[in-house]
Amino acid sequence: AQSVTQLGSHVSVSEGALVLLRCNYSSSVPPYLFWYVQYPNQGLQLLLKYTTGATLVKGINGFEAEFKKSETSFHLTKPSAHMSDAAEYFCAVSDSGGYQKVTFGTGTKLQVIP
Amino acid sequence: NAGVTQTPKFQVLKTGQSMTLQCAQDMNHNSMYWYRQDPGMGLRLIYYSASEGTTDKGEVPNGYNVSRLNKREFSLRLESAAPSQTSVYFCASSGLQGSHEQYFGPGTRLTVT
Repeated sequence: AQSVTQLGSHVSVSEGALVLLRCNYSSSVPPYLFWYVQYPNQGLQLLLKYTTGATLVKGINGFEAEFKKSETSFHLTKPSAHMSDAAEYFCAVSDSGGYQKVTFGTGTKLQVIP
Repeated sequence: NAGVTQTPKFQVLKTGQSMTLQCAQDMNHNSMYWYRQDPGMGLRLIYYSASEGTTDKGEVPNGYNVSRLNKREFSLRLESAAPSQTSVYFCASSGLQGSHEQYFGPGTRLTVT
């Protein structure tokens, strides 16, 4: 069975500061890992994903995440927060098998303080 | 391309009423999903359809039924709505080979009084 844990339901950062959103996963097979972003009153959209290959993954809007197998982590970072980054972020895991079932974390709301 | 569309955007029901949430995708995806989103609980899978003609229960299927009408459309039905079904419902689809990436609709905000 696969699962995702996001540490911190709410994170506040100052504009221009580093953004770090934490995600740990468990999976019995090599995982596919995702970060999705949800802006208010909208659906989720893909920010970035890891399937195979390079463990540092770059996504849209300056975000990146690093797959660390030894730590079972896939933390999301951005060097400098912008006001437009305020949103809810979801980490998700899928096993690399045939069926595309995805398990989502409970989400982290990012607040950016001017 | 419209991507994934959902109707209606908002709905208020009284306890015991029924309704169907509609979802359609124009990306020729094989798999479609229904989730509900509740505060602090993330997204929970209600039902999914791995391919046209098949449907399976997810994590929280009680009180819901689904129909995969064709490759494009996947509907969710509440036969007798309950206040516990007050939630935001999202439809999603996926189908790129080996990708597992899901594309989401804008959601339906349902309130059951």
